[in-house]
Amino acid sequence: GENVEQHPSTLSVQEGDSAVIKCTYSDSASNYFPWYKQELGKGPQLIIDIRSNVGEKKDQRIAVTLNKTAKHFSLHITETQPEDSAVYFCAASKGSQGNLIFGKGTKLSVKP
Amino acid sequence: SQTIHQWPATLVQPVGSPLSLECTVEGTSNPNLYWYRQAAGRGLQLLFYSVGIGQISSEVPQNLSASRPQDRQFILSSKKLLLSDSGFYLCAWSPIGAFGANVLTFGAGSRLTVL
Repeated sequence: GENVEQHPSTLSVQEGDSAVIKCTYSDSASNYFPWYKQELGKGPQLIIDIRSNVGEKKDQRIAVTLNKTAKHFSLHITETQPEDSAVYFCAASKGSQGNLIFGKGTKLSVKP
Repeated sequence: SQTIHQWPATLVQPVGSPLSLECTVEGTSNPNLYWYRQAAGRGLQLLFYSVGIGQISSEVPQNLSASRPQDRQFILSSKKLLLSDSGFYLCAWSPIGAFGANVLTFGAGSRLTVL
């Protein structure tokens, strides 16, 4: 079955710097890749997603890139702010043929 | 708009006691419903999912069970809790249709501590 690896497990950056979180997946049939942000004591919330027919997607300070050949995708956060501090999860699925498989999460800390 | 409610938010239960966590979704019909568990330092583990009333699929054999008595109600249960059942339980829903490919919306979670 699908396996999603996520790195790093923890990431600390200074306010204003960029943060990059990387994920790899094992099943070449996966075609949907969302990213979730989980604040302390809350449920995860979708922040951005990408499907396999595009290589990059941006939404203000957040961007996701997808390399289907290498089977990896990344989350990029620019101009980080303290409120970006949270745990971020990547996930992958084969769309209608499978469930979302999540990575183990990255705890991002943005220092003011 | 759609909303998802999950309760209780926190509970502390003794080993061997029963469990019932409830989840309801408003503002949509025929949602796909999910129960996830999040243990400390680990990712989100899918426990159960349901594509319709009375239809439950289990991803991981364990001490827990799920039921969907109504279209927008999903219940997670146990007859006898184990210490290993402690964790953060999340209910989620996605729109009917392309199962797995749609946006998952999570509830606020239920923190279970088994002593």
